[in-house]
Amino acid sequence: QITLKESGPTLVKPTQTLTLTCTFSGFSLNTSGVGVGWIRQPPGKALEWLALIYWNDDKRYSPSLKSRLTITKDTSKNQVVLAMTNMDPVDTATYYCAHTDGYLGRFDPWGQGTLVTVSS
Amino acid sequence: DIVMTQSPDSLAVSLGERATINCKSSQSVFHSSNNKNYLAWYQQKPGQPPKLLIYWASTRKSGVPDRFSGSGSGTDFTLTISSLQAEDVAVYYCQQYYGPPLTFGPGTKVDIK
Repeated sequence: QITLKESGPTLVKPTQTLTLTCTFSGFSLNTSGVGVGWIRQPPGKALEWLALIYWNDDKRYSPSLKSRLTITKDTSKNQVVLAMTNMDPVDTATYYCAHTDGYLGRFDPWGQGTLVTVSS
Repeated sequence: DIVMTQSPDSLAVSLGERATINCKSSQSVFHSSNNKNYLAWYQQKPGQPPKLLIYWASTRKSGVPDRFSGSGSGTDFTLTISSLQAEDVAVYYCQQYYGPPLTFGPGTKVDIK
């Protein structure tokens, strides 16, 4: 059974860097085709894909946010970390991590998500 | 970027009736190398993360009730709930994974009439 769980701060100040960790079980990021992605959802709004990292360390980023994002993996800890710089109140959202396989970008399953509020 | 649109924004259907959601992509998500449409449908209930329902535009994920079906090809796709149940109240999103960047539709809210 694949599970993922997001962790990190619930409140960050504008201009700060947000660091979120996705801890997973039930699969390995050493397995060919496997990846972990990050997706966010502002309150009451739609889903927005942020970044994706694959087993071979291939990294993909949303073009609109690429300059602010860094995704890394630690296969020994079964973790994927997303860093987002220069946080703004418009970045307030629930941040999800999710599993993908087949070297694709469809996500199943998803973590429960973590709500991050950006406010001074 | 491939822009995904959905219609309607919301719909209310009587229990047992059919619900139909449309999704359109700004460019084709059909890959001729494997004859597959890189299109997925997700269901999101209040307070929960999205759940994958359908992938490759029409392949139902194992365990998903067969009242859910997906169809379409190229740029036009449809999610159909053949007989709406109370537990189907949710927001439904389409997503293309032909990308990157990966993009989602704006969502369609389904309610009971």
